[in-house]
Amino acid sequence: ETGVTQSPTHLIKTRGQQVTLRCSSQSGHNTVSWYQQALGQGPQFIFQYYREEENGRGNFPPRFSGLQFPNYSSELNVNALELDDSALYLCASNRGPGAETEAFFGQGTRLTVV
Amino acid sequence: AQTVTQSQPEMSVQEAETVTLSCTYDTSESDYYLFWYKQPPSRQMILVIRQEAYKQQNATENRFSVNFQKAAKSFSLKISDSQLGDAAMYFCAYRMANFGNEKLTFGTGTRLTIIP
Repeated sequence: ETGVTQSPTHLIKTRGQQVTLRCSSQSGHNTVSWYQQALGQGPQFIFQYYREEENGRGNFPPRFSGLQFPNYSSELNVNALELDDSALYLCASNRGPGAETEAFFGQGTRLTVV
Repeated sequence: AQTVTQSQPEMSVQEAETVTLSCTYDTSESDYYLFWYKQPPSRQMILVIRQEAYKQQNATENRFSVNFQKAAKSFSLKISDSQLGDAAMYFCAYRMANFGNEKLTFGTGTRLTIIP
């Protein structure tokens, strides 16, 4: 068991609404990354947080935002939901940053936008 | 930008046989890391094996081994003595080696079926 937990496991939202996904990092990990995995695709990097600050971002619009808290848990917020936001959202935590760290993933949140 | 390509959407293998999954990547960096992740129906990404680009020796983890060809930018995964529990999506992933960058770039995956 990796220790990274995500909530909720499934979620259905209406287009235009806002959603918050949560991630609890593995103990001792201070870096968290979020990924979007569309059906039949590989995960796409959204952004990374280290010690409560965003320090890396993929090609996602500003309506995708995040937070990392002092206990290193994290949130992913998506505003003005679009149908194409339907996907599995994965959270990964590291001991990092550092070249030798390994990412541990949660089981994801399946978001459906209708 | 770095890209990772997996050209085999699906593969199947008889139980106890050996199968090889292919991956190619493109980068201008000289130092980086390559990974194979397994994603079973439970959806959780599980690290199978990692390879540091500066190491010439191919990584092995029990029944899993890689063939890393740096000049060809090729990184294949060999699974020996395939077991039913190996059935899953397999993703090849790349990460730069610079400090603080934990971003993984994934391929589109290969679905592996194990035939009893």
